[in-house]
Amino acid sequence: DAGVIQSPRHEVTEMGQEVTLRCKPISGHDYLFWYRQTMMRGLELLIYFNNNVPIDDSGMPEDRFSAKMPNASFSTLKIQPSEPRDSAVYFCASSPNRGGEISETQYFGPGTRLLVL
Amino acid sequence: AQKVTQAQTEISVVEKEDVTLDCVYETRDTTYYLFWYKQPPSGELVFLIRRNSFDEQNEISGRYSWNFQKSTSSFNFTITASQVVDSAVYFCAQTSGSRLTFGEGTQLTVNP
Repeated sequence: DAGVIQSPRHEVTEMGQEVTLRCKPISGHDYLFWYRQTMMRGLELLIYFNNNVPIDDSGMPEDRFSAKMPNASFSTLKIQPSEPRDSAVYFCASSPNRGGEISETQYFGPGTRLLVL
Repeated sequence: AQKVTQAQTEISVVEKEDVTLDCVYETRDTTYYLFWYKQPPSGELVFLIRRNSFDEQNEISGRYSWNFQKSTSSFNFTITASQVVDSAVYFCAQTSGSRLTFGEGTQLTVNP
């Protein structure tokens, strides 16, 4: 079975440019999560969706960040405009929904390494 | 609020040594879940184990074993006869309801 798929794997952009990260969750998983990993802050949850609906976006750092999930098999995380401090590894994860229990195991994608110059 | 503490930032061992990675968690919930993930140098996050708060049985999987003690709020991870391929950052994590909270990770280096 295919795991969580993320693209691109690496992105280098200049400050001020728009960046779009993409994620395809594991088929059949109802939850999708976006995380950011930096040396300073470790792994942080940015936002998560349940059945394509955003449930908790309190981790989204600023209005420059937005996330969408137009259907069960695709999600995007957009940064506009990007800044150097956004440089990080962005992970997407998905988990199944068994009886509404969100504490099921989250399976992570390979991550997108973003560098904003 | 939940908190996960991995006091060991870095551990270095020689191959074939046993090594234990410590994890202490804080929560006010009675139902919660604990996890360990491995992040090898390639960067992906690999799920290792999930444990719920009602199951305090220790678990063994090959060279890996986990010791869950509610009385001390600990969920420690032991690698027996470590190998170079075990070199990675290991994260302990906790969730109870809505968020998966990670510890800061322990960098394990296994030297040949």
